[in-house]
Amino acid sequence: GAVVSQHPSWVICKSGTSVKIECRSLDFQATTIFWYRQFPKQSLMLMATSNEGSKATYEQGVEKDKFLINHASLTLSTLTVTSAHPEDSSFYICSALPGQYTGELFFGEGSRLTVL
Amino acid sequence: KQEVTQIPAALSVPEGENLVLNCSFTDSAIYNLQWFRQDPGKGLTSLLLIQSSQREQTSGRLNASLDKSSGRSTLYIAASQPGDSATYLCAAQVTGGGNKLTFGTGTQLKVEL
Repeated sequence: GAVVSQHPSWVICKSGTSVKIECRSLDFQATTIFWYRQFPKQSLMLMATSNEGSKATYEQGVEKDKFLINHASLTLSTLTVTSAHPEDSSFYICSALPGQYTGELFFGEGSRLTVL
Repeated sequence: KQEVTQIPAALSVPEGENLVLNCSFTDSAIYNLQWFRQDPGKGLTSLLLIQSSQREQTSGRLNASLDKSSGRSTLYIAASQPGDSATYLCAAQVTGGGNKLTFGTGTQLKVEL
């Protein structure tokens, strides 16, 4: 199956710093990438939809200036958490949609962010 | 807006038992429904995908069914094993919804020796 890689797997940062998370599709071109956030013992909540070469579409309640998404190529999307605070500590997961869509989305391994 | 609910939230069973996990969704206009497994602190592992035109899918000891009219899907796990312990998530993809998945609340399964 298709492989989606996220980096870093985990990161700890100080409050006020910015953190960038990468999502790469290793063996296919991803026309669309979805970014999810998961708080402890909760389900995945969609944050934004990113189409290659276009501005991301954010879900209601998600601050676009805080969570910057870049999807400059068909194999890479990045999520930058700007001026991170402890309440941003969460598990961030990306999901990639292949250009030749078969109905299945492919998920990265997730990135755990802890803001001190 | 699609809402997906899973019952029960947590389940503990002895090894070898057959079990059923339930998933319900409010918008029946779904493109497909997927079941995932998530181990603690890990990403998602896709288990089964049921297209809207299908009624069930099977993979090994897993069988997932879909009833669009009633807004329900079930995941049946036969002869459960301790290695099946994980959180199981269902997710619905709505027709015309931009391929977005709406995830359920999850069922945390523990299979005991």
